[in-house]
Amino acid sequence: QTVVTQEPSLTVSPGGTVTLTCASSTGAVTSDFYPNWFQQKPGQAPRSLIYGTSKEHSSTPARFSGSLLGGKAALTLSPVHPEDEAEYYCLLYYGGAWVFGGGTKLTVL
Amino acid sequence: EVQVVESGGGLVQPGRSLRLSCTTSGLSFVDYGMHWVRQAPGKGLEWVSGITWNSAKIAYADSVMGRFTISRDNAKNFLYLQMNSLRVEDTALYYCVKDMGGYIQTPLFWGQGTLVTVSS
Repeated sequence: QTVVTQEPSLTVSPGGTVTLTCASSTGAVTSDFYPNWFQQKPGQAPRSLIYGTSKEHSSTPARFSGSLLGGKAALTLSPVHPEDEAEYYCLLYYGGAWVFGGGTKLTVL
Repeated sequence: EVQVVESGGGLVQPGRSLRLSCTTSGLSFVDYGMHWVRQAPGKGLEWVSGITWNSAKIAYADSVMGRFTISRDNAKNFLYLQMNSLRVEDTALYYCVKDMGGYIQTPLFWGQGTLVTVSS
């Protein structure tokens, strides 16, 4: 069974920089996995931030960026704003189906 | 503005069936791929199933393969998820999500979800 792993939690100060990662149990994540990133705040539906590794929607704030880093998909926030406190999920494509990561709870303190 | 609205959730006993429906407005329904994503109470997101604009490609998560069936009626602008042999672990908020394009690559427009509770 394929497992997608994210950091369970991260803490960052306002104005700082943080990188969230997304790893696959099958090996290195490449652009073929078409990584997507989502933000979810309590009581709300998720919101798409990044697709196709690094493509941003017109509504995605410029401080969010996606990349591949050390065999993982990565989401970098810089500078971090207080309202970025949320759960972040990655989504990877496995040639037929998609699998979400377990999510990273980002705390801004 | 794109709106996505799910319906059909409710309380059902283990082993029984339920059909979820979803409709969208604001963009043509027929041109876009669609997904179902679920979230168990207090848990993370789980991709359940996806269907391309023309139903040529359909995919399922291993956890629902053989029990759930996704389908769409482009003439009626509806997406469906037929859920059979329901289990307690299928209890979740089920989101209908419209893709950014005609395939199943980028879940973009999310509904507010419909709650499915499987319990005796």
